[in-house]
Amino acid sequence: QKEVEQNSGPLSVPEGAIASLNCTYSDRVSQSFFWYRQYSGKSPELIMSIYSNGDKEDGRFTAQLNKASQYVSLLIRDSQPSDSATYLCAVNIYPNTGNQFYFGTGTSLTVIP
Amino acid sequence: EAQVTQNPRYLITVTGKKLTVTCSQNMNHEYMSWYRQDPGLGLRQIYYSMNVEVTDKGDVPEGYKVSRKEKRNFPLILESPSPNQTSLYFCASKAGGGGTQYFGPGTRLLVL
Repeated sequence: QKEVEQNSGPLSVPEGAIASLNCTYSDRVSQSFFWYRQYSGKSPELIMSIYSNGDKEDGRFTAQLNKASQYVSLLIRDSQPSDSATYLCAVNIYPNTGNQFYFGTGTSLTVIP
Repeated sequence: EAQVTQNPRYLITVTGKKLTVTCSQNMNHEYMSWYRQDPGLGLRQIYYSMNVEVTDKGDVPEGYKVSRKEKRNFPLILESPSPNQTSLYFCASKAGGGGTQYFGPGTRLLVL
């Protein structure tokens, strides 16, 4: 079973709508959770990090974490065409003395003007 | 400017010819890591380093070597590249403990 799973999409939403991206993870000792945005041919850039259960808001972005359900989501409000990208979910686990990151395969989002 | 640099950005090589991809960061970060990105498989961690002289295997370390002799540099070595190592490689760094992981621009490698 993969550590991190995302719906690959593609997900299309009209401009101004809410885009909802979901991610589940399998490791119950996962400590930190991240959402990255990756434009085609570019490197990932951090959108949000979340460490405890509940919601975390930053501008148009809201991350939601539910550790009991092993679920993390990203909501993008008032979606803009510039939000069109692939969104990667990542979890950070600390096995013994280590510090590893696992990424999902990404969800492709298209915002239609 | 805070950044992670990788060289080369593009590389075409042949099976078995040793190569090194360099990675350097100017943010004094303790943690550095290498990833490969393949269609349908996402980003997978190859090796990581939590500090100088401390390296550990990630999810897909076979066929790769790394070293961390200086804090700012974390080269990725392919001693005998094979076609299945054709991929897009990213180096990343972050401060110890938590913190944002910053990615380099990527190195696109083709092994013939």
